[in-house]
Amino acid sequence: EDKVVQSPLSLVVHEGDTVTLNCSYEVTNFRSLLWYKQEKKAPTFLFMLTSSGIEKKSGRLSSILDKKELFSILNITATQTGDSAVYLCALGGGGNKLTFGTGTQLKVEL
Amino acid sequence: DTAVSQTPKYLVTQMGNDKSIKCEQNLGHDTMYWYKQDSKKFLKIMFSYNNKELIINETVPNRFSPKSPDKAHLNLHINSLELGDSAVYFCASSHPDFYNEQFFGPGTRLTVL
Repeated sequence: EDKVVQSPLSLVVHEGDTVTLNCSYEVTNFRSLLWYKQEKKAPTFLFMLTSSGIEKKSGRLSSILDKKELFSILNITATQTGDSAVYLCALGGGGNKLTFGTGTQLKVEL
Repeated sequence: DTAVSQTPKYLVTQMGNDKSIKCEQNLGHDTMYWYKQDSKKFLKIMFSYNNKELIINETVPNRFSPKSPDKAHLNLHINSLELGDSAVYFCASSHPDFYNEQFFGPGTRLTVL
């Protein structure tokens, strides 16, 4: 069965800090790895990664995938209080299925 | 111009009742999903439909029955509600060429008393 493990489970930082969130996985049939941000309501899509070593970037957020070591990281630079959320890593396997990790709860304090 | 919408947003009901949650997407996507998010925020897929046909059915009790009248709608009917059904239920949809990039609805918080 596909498996996604995220670390740390929770994290508290100060505004301006840089954070790195980790996602490791086990999969039978890899299609993609996705990152979502969940504030109070629906998860919102951040990145989809399919190839190793190619960084995806959006503003202060970036992510990269290592398919050999089976992990991905999500970096957030110059954090702001609006970055406070649960960050979810999900594995896209066969059959249109997303398998989610338990998430990393990030809190950014002033 | 909401992309994926769900009704109701909140649902409070007694054990043993039957209830339905509706989902609609206006993105033109072919595939729709239902997820359950428990109190620990763990998000788990329940069902997936592609063009009104069931393609994923995880180990979900028979009391849960999805229905897709057309590819823009996927409703979830739950019979004989139990305390353990209390959770947030999310509907999602995806494009056939980018099926892993899923767009989520706002969620329905179900509380069973």
